[in-house]
Amino acid sequence: SQQGEEDPQALSIQEGENATMNCSYKTSINNLQWYRQNSGRGLVHLILIRSNEREKHSGRLRVTLDTSKKSSSLLITASRAADTASYFCATRDTGRRALTFGSGTRLQVQP
Amino acid sequence: EPEVTQTPSHQVTQMGQEVILRCVPISNHLYFYWYRQILGQKVEFLVSFYNNEISEKSEIFDDQFSVERPDGSNFTLKIRSTKLEDSAMYFCASKRQEEQETQYFGPGTRLLVL
Repeated sequence: SQQGEEDPQALSIQEGENATMNCSYKTSINNLQWYRQNSGRGLVHLILIRSNEREKHSGRLRVTLDTSKKSSSLLITASRAADTASYFCATRDTGRRALTFGSGTRLQVQP
Repeated sequence: EPEVTQTPSHQVTQMGQEVILRCVPISNHLYFYWYRQILGQKVEFLVSFYNNEISEKSEIFDDQFSVERPDGSNFTLKIRSTKLEDSAMYFCASKRQEEQETQYFGPGTRLLVL
């Protein structure tokens, strides 16, 4: 698989449920970030976790990072219809300036 | 809250034509980026720019592409002779400092090459 692969590719849940998305990567990273993209729109930064951190919280978001497994998860608790969007993980590899994005998870929250 | 802006929001052009995509980064930011997203595919890095020069570029960013910061506010991406496969959403991003990890993205320009 390629750098920054998310799974599942698509996720449909009911409002109020939790949504979990996973991301795997291959290289050595400085940090991993999660972005959100509403259909046809720009990318909005959600949360960043550094390579020396294991878990981070921001509001209803919880992100974990396991550098030994080269994987991360994003948990959105108590989802809302407005959370419907695509979610991408992005890594900044050691020594690089660019972000490498995954292919994204399309989340649909049914009201 | 300050944000990155991009113009135009949509551009349709004929194959072989030159296009210039414009971005206004957040005013006190120093690091600038262009990414693109072909429909249904990943967001791909094109180029990063700092201190009036390219600091990193991907293999996508060939001789047909160039970037410029013509004044203190604009950051442009030029495609000299567009190809069909250049059709994509192009995103500009900026950040304030090297240590600041978060890149702030603009809303994108959707380019369609016919």
